Order: sequence, then C-alpha cells, then structure tokens
Amino acid sequence: GAVVSQHPSWVICKSGTSVKIECRSLDFQATTMFWYRQFPKQSLMLMATSNEGSKATYEQGVEKDKFLINHASLTLSTLTVTSAHPEDSSFYICSARVVGWYEQYFGPGTRLTVT
Amino acid sequence: DAKTTQPPSMDCAEGRAANLPCNHSTISGNEYVYWYRQIHSQGPQYIIHGLKNNETNEMASLIITEDRKSSTLILPHATLRDTAVYYCIVRVATGNTGKLIFGQGTTLQVKP
Repeated sequence: GAVVSQHPSWVICKSGTSVKIECRSLDFQATTMFWYRQFPKQSLMLMATSNEGSKATYEQGVEKDKFLINHASLTLSTLTVTSAHPEDSSFYICSARVVGWYEQYFGPGTRLTVT
Repeated sequence: DAKTTQPPSMDCAEGRAANLPCNHSTISGNEYVYWYRQIHSQGPQYIIHGLKNNETNEMASLIITEDRKSSTLILPHATLRDTAVYYCIVRVATGNTGKLIFGQGTTLQVKP
C-alpha cells in the first residue's frame, strides 16, 4: 500500500511555544490530507481536511488560529500547534488520499508533549 | 455518513478465527463498509472494504448481510500481532470529502 510519513515521531516542547508537524505522502500525490488528534484511551477525532493549494476545512470546535494547516504541495501538509499548552498534549495523526481511491492511508503519528 | 455500533472489547485465542461484528442499520445504498485497525501507538491501518458482496483479501474477510444492516470482519487465524482496536466505518467510498469518522471501535485481545 501507499506510504505516509510523519515528522517528528515525538516532540516535547515548553508551554507557549509553537510546534510544526509534517505529513508526507511518499509514493503518491495526495489530493486530500486529513489531521486527527487522539487522546489516551480515546478514538481518533478528525480536526481538519486540507486540499492542496486551498484553505483547510476545520471540524466544529477546532480552533483554526491555534492549529494552522498548510498543504503547499501534493505530497506535504503541515500542522502547526501555536502557543501550545499542556492540554494540547496528544497523539496527532495525518492521513492522505487521492480522489477516486477507496482507501485512505495513515501516517505513524506524532506524540506531542507540552510541559 | 451512517453510524456504526461495535462491541467495546473481544477476546480470541491465538490461531482461532476472530469474528468482529458491526451494526450499521442506517446505511445508505451508496455507502461502503470500511474496516481499519490501530495497533497501540500507531496510525490506523486499512484492512478491507465492501459494498454488498463478501470480500476477502490477504488480511481478512468481510461478510455483509443481505440487508446490509450489519457486517462481520473475520481474521481467519488470529495471531498475537492482531491485538488492536478495530474500527468499522461507513461512508460513501469516493465522496468529495473522503473523511473518515471514527467511533470507539472494538478492542481485540488475542491470547496465547
């Protein structure tokens, strides 16, 4: 299957700083990328959908000014957590798909810890 | 997209078949049934999907009832590495958004 990577795999940052997480589709050009957040012992929660070259669509309750998403190319999307706080500590997962594909492929996730 | 209902947890003996049920009684005619699984601290992995016919691939089989209101994912010979959370999701296959909405899933524990 297609491969999606994320970088970094884990990150620790201090409260008030910003953190950028990269999501790359390695062997296909993704027309759409998704960002999810997962707290311990909970399911994945969709945060936003992004299409290459256009603004991301955020799910209800997700602060777009706090979670900045950039999808500058067909193989790269970035999520920036601005002014991170301890409650933003979570597992962030991206996924990618091509319009017309049945499957959606997920990255390995990024563990963010804010101290 | 239609809502799904899954048991929160199941056990299975290693080497035996694992049968994971999913109820999707409000499924629409153009909605597919997808199965993903998530092994601890990893991203979800696609397993299989189907519309109305039974499907089989190298990982699993998907049995969909004739009325399409429920389905069963079958792992024919479960191994310890199959221990994971299994998610049943219903959505239009190639819809414009393509987004997947995850429920709580079934935690499958394969025991030696």
